[in-house]
Order: sequence, then C-alpha cells, then structure tokens
Amino acid sequence: EAGVAQSPRYKIIEKRQSVAFWCNPISGHATLYWYQQILGQGPKLLIQFQNNGVVDDSQLPKDRFSAERLKGVDSTLKIQPAKLEDSAVYLCASSLDTTTGGELFFGEGSRLTVL
Amino acid sequence: GNSVTQMEGPVTLSEEAFLTINCTYTATGYPSLFWYVQYPGEGLQLLLKATKADDKGSNKGFEATYRKETTSFHLEKGSVQVSDSAVYFCALGPSNDYKLSFGAGTTVTVRA
Repeated sequence: EAGVAQSPRYKIIEKRQSVAFWCNPISGHATLYWYQQILGQGPKLLIQFQNNGVVDDSQLPKDRFSAERLKGVDSTLKIQPAKLEDSAVYLCASSLDTTTGGELFFGEGSRLTVL
Repeated sequence: GNSVTQMEGPVTLSEEAFLTINCTYTATGYPSLFWYVQYPGEGLQLLLKATKADDKGSNKGFEATYRKETTSFHLEKGSVQVSDSAVYFCALGPSNDYKLSFGAGTTVTVRA
C-alpha cells in the first residue's frame, strides 16, 4: 500500500516570497491533516479536512496560509508571503475515518527554510 | 486545553539498556493516548496507543500504560537496540476525533 506522498521534500525561499506544498493521502482515506513542526517542538495542527470540507482550521494563520482539497483527495498548502518564523517541516497526514483511537499516517514532510 | 509534557532529551543509551520516556498530560474528558516514532529520514508512525484508563499499549517491545490517576503514559522498553534510535513523540487525542496534541519529542540514541 502506498503511503502519504508529499512534495517538495525541501524548499528554500526568501521572506515575502510564496511557496506551495502538495500532499497525496493514502487511497480511500477521507480525512487529511496538515501539521507544522518547528525545530525542537512537536507537530501542531494547522488544518483538518474531511473529504473536501474543512473540519478545523482554528490554528491556521489565515492572513498568509491557505489550504485546499478540491476533489477530496490531493491537498495543497500555500504560504504567501512567507515570514522567517514559517521555517519548519510541514507534515501531511491522513486517516481512514474519525473513529476514536484510530491511526494517523504521516508523510515524510516538506522542510521549508525562509531566509 | 489539552496538552502533553514529555521528558526532554536527548537520551543516549547503550544497547540492551532499559529505556523510559516520561509523558504526562492535561485533558478534559477521556482522551486517547499515543506514542509516535520518527526514525531518521522517515515520517512519523504510530508506535502504540491506549484508548482508556488502565489499557496497556505495546509494540516492538515497547509498552505504555494509560494511568488516569497520575495522568501519565510513560514509554518503556526493557532492552533497546541500535535500531530504536529515533525521536519519540507522546500525543493526546480527544474522545471524539483525531485532533492530536503532541509533546515536543524526545531524541533517543542507542550506541552499540
């Protein structure tokens, strides 16, 4: 079974530039998550989708971050304009359903460096 | 709100040593508790979980028991191997969805 795919793996940009990350979840997984992991910290949820609808985006900095999952499969996370503090690993995860105690499957992450 | 506090690292051990990583939590209701592991160059993956008080999760020789009275979920392994070198994350999920709150992670290095 193919895992969660993310690209690019690494990205270096100047502050105020824009960047986009792509995620393809495990086939059949209805729920998709984007997490931000700053060095030395645990992952923090940015946004959660159920199919193509947003379930939780309470911690997404909406003035600069946006995410979409138009057809309920792939998702894109965009940052525009980037700030130095956005340097982090952006993790995509998916899960089969929302049953309590289930498992999230993570991609390898996209590492962003903002100079 | 929900939060997780786990032991700071890094932790360096010799092969066959005993490993404990402490994790305590603050939560309302009846959360599920998880340990995720991130091996070098790989994504986070679920190591074990417990969904109610007194449950014991186990996998790959690791164990953790959900202790409601001490709000803890400490990870243990009796005899570590070099292949156990990784970053370990304790996580807490509420009782009604998958929104996980992660600890800061503990880096474990096992020397041969």
